[in-house]
Amino acid sequence: GAVVSQHPSWVICKSGTSVKIECRSLDFQATTMFWYRQFPKQSLMLMATSNEGSKATYEQGVEKDKFLINHASLTLSTLTVTSAHPEDSSFYICSAGLAGNIQYFGAGTRLSVL
Amino acid sequence: GQQLNQSPQSMFIQEGEDVSMNCTSSSIFNTWLWYKQDPGEGPVLLIALYKAGELTSNGRLTAQFGITRKDSFLNISASIPSDVGIYFCAGQGGSEKLVFGKGMKLTVNP
Repeated sequence: GAVVSQHPSWVICKSGTSVKIECRSLDFQATTMFWYRQFPKQSLMLMATSNEGSKATYEQGVEKDKFLINHASLTLSTLTVTSAHPEDSSFYICSAGLAGNIQYFGAGTRLSVL
Repeated sequence: GQQLNQSPQSMFIQEGEDVSMNCTSSSIFNTWLWYKQDPGEGPVLLIALYKAGELTSNGRLTAQFGITRKDSFLNISASIPSDVGIYFCAGQGGSEKLVFGKGMKLTVNP
């Protein structure tokens, strides 16, 4: 099956710093990747759709200047949480789309902002 | 954002029992997907359904795409301890975006 790698799996940072999360499709090319946020005991909430070579499309209520997304190649998308604050602490998950509209997910990144 | 109605929200069963869960939507979907998520991990795809009425199996798992295209169910037969986790349904309409259910937490007692 298709493999999506997400790094890091866990990050702790100080308030006010920026954190970058990488999402890679290892054995396929993905023109579209997605970034989700998940709070404890809740479902996945789509934050943005990342398109290779163009600007990301953000969901309503998601600050694009806060959550910077770059999709530099067909196998890599990055999410940068800028000037992180404790309320940004969450589980962030990426997915990459494959033929047949199936999305394969990374293992997630646990962000803790102190 | 939009969410699917997934039920039940949780189930506690004995090892060996079967379990069923379903999702309904007010909107028509072109694709239904079922995922399982373990704690601290990303969702893993279990079954993908593409046609109304389609019935698909993957080992002990069976899922169906409702004929109205507004619902889907997932059955797990002869449950084992490693089936524990959270099961999510997801629907896909005209765009690539997925709409997720709230999840069903499964506990299997050995």
